[in-house]
Amino acid sequence: GQQLNQSPQSMFIQEGEDVSMNCTSSSIFNTWLWYKQEPGEGPVLLIALYKAGELTSNGRLTAQFGITRKDSFLNISASIPSDVGIYFCAGPNSGNTPLVFGKGTRLSVIA
Amino acid sequence: DTGVSQNPRHKITKRGQNVTFRCDPISEHNRLYWYRQTLGQGPEFLTYFQNEAQLEKSRLLSDRFSAERPKGSFSTLEIQRTEQGDSAMYLCAVPGQGLYNEQFFGPGTRLTVL
Repeated sequence: GQQLNQSPQSMFIQEGEDVSMNCTSSSIFNTWLWYKQEPGEGPVLLIALYKAGELTSNGRLTAQFGITRKDSFLNISASIPSDVGIYFCAGPNSGNTPLVFGKGTRLSVIA
Repeated sequence: DTGVSQNPRHKITKRGQNVTFRCDPISEHNRLYWYRQTLGQGPEFLTYFQNEAQLEKSRLLSDRFSAERPKGSFSTLEIQRTEQGDSAMYLCAVPGQGLYNEQFFGPGTRLTVL
């Protein structure tokens, strides 16, 4: 089946640093979604991307939908301790099919 | 608040017992999804409903699993004769209001099978 490959698997950064993570797929996606999950909770939607080349921001978060429709990246600027969590990319390969998720990037912020 | 509640939040059971989880969306949604998440992995699709009809099941949904959505609102997921490999977080999700497939997740039910 479809797989989304996220990198890096984990990151340790100093508070205030910028963060970049990405997600690639072997097949085309029509929507890219970025979620954040904290321990014991469900994933929370951060940003949704609907169009190839689209760049969307949500506060300190910026995400882009790759031109090939096979990749996306998420940037976090000026990280703070509450950014700690696991960040997942996800998407349906077509229509209203269920989401496929990557394995996540675990972010740790050192104060 | 994602508008989805799940109960119980945690369940510890012995191998061989049956368990049932419930998902309650606060507002009406035609579609409702169930996912399973094991440690170190992203959520994996189990099944979804369009109103009362169960439209798709993944190969992860063995015959010990059954899901229902009797009135097209809340949904239940039952696991019979639980096995240790069933230990996971079970997540329920509903679609957003737009035309695209963004989904909003509940807090999940953490199942531990001893």
